[in-house]
Amino acid sequence: AQKITQTQPGMFVQEKEAVTLDCTYDTSDPSYGLFWYKQPSSGEMIFLIYQGSYDQQNATEGRYSLNFQKARKSANLVISASQLGDSAMYFCAMREGRYSGGSNYKLTFGKGTLLTVNP
Amino acid sequence: GAVVSQHPSRVICKSGTSVKIECRSLDFQATTMFWYRQFPKQSLMLMATSNEGSKATYEQGVEKDKFLINHASLTLSTLTVTSAHPEDSSFYICSARDRVSGNTIYFGEGSWLTVV
Repeated sequence: AQKITQTQPGMFVQEKEAVTLDCTYDTSDPSYGLFWYKQPSSGEMIFLIYQGSYDQQNATEGRYSLNFQKARKSANLVISASQLGDSAMYFCAMREGRYSGGSNYKLTFGKGTLLTVNP
Repeated sequence: GAVVSQHPSRVICKSGTSVKIECRSLDFQATTMFWYRQFPKQSLMLMATSNEGSKATYEQGVEKDKFLINHASLTLSTLTVTSAHPEDSSFYICSARDRVSGNTIYFGEGSWLTVV
């Protein structure tokens, strides 16, 4: 079974509108972390936001917020006031296990969602 | 913020030769780095975990003799693709965690390898 599922291969949004990118995850480990990365066509992976499994509040970073619903095992990314520069591939990823040892920082990625922002 | 740098960003090599890709943490120490591979329009797949001062841990299905990883210092890990073949052409990208800043995992800019 896939550990990270992104069901939207592609999404379109009008400039200045908000968009939600879906991500569901599967783990039996009580300690985990969820990440969202943006990958433009140049290939670099740009860190956007992080949510820990024990965090009580949803993470926010500027125009990015993570809608964390633990019982449903979902971690959707919300981008407010979309900009043309937001057009890129977006990946949801998960780290499992406690922080003991650096090896617990390997990530499992979803297949990604290609976001296109229209003017 | 913390920066991870990869070099070269693009490389073309002849089939049968070896090519080395470097991953450096520029302003933090990383005892562990990770190497991923990404085919066009696909997701990132973890290849191996690079451990400073010890052997790398490879994921299932990744040939350790094909993809040599050396983590020589706290700021440098290298991936060497040996006896490269056209099917090794891919995007290779590394990541590292800055222990001081906590949870963030930073990625390098990635390296596009083309084997001709």
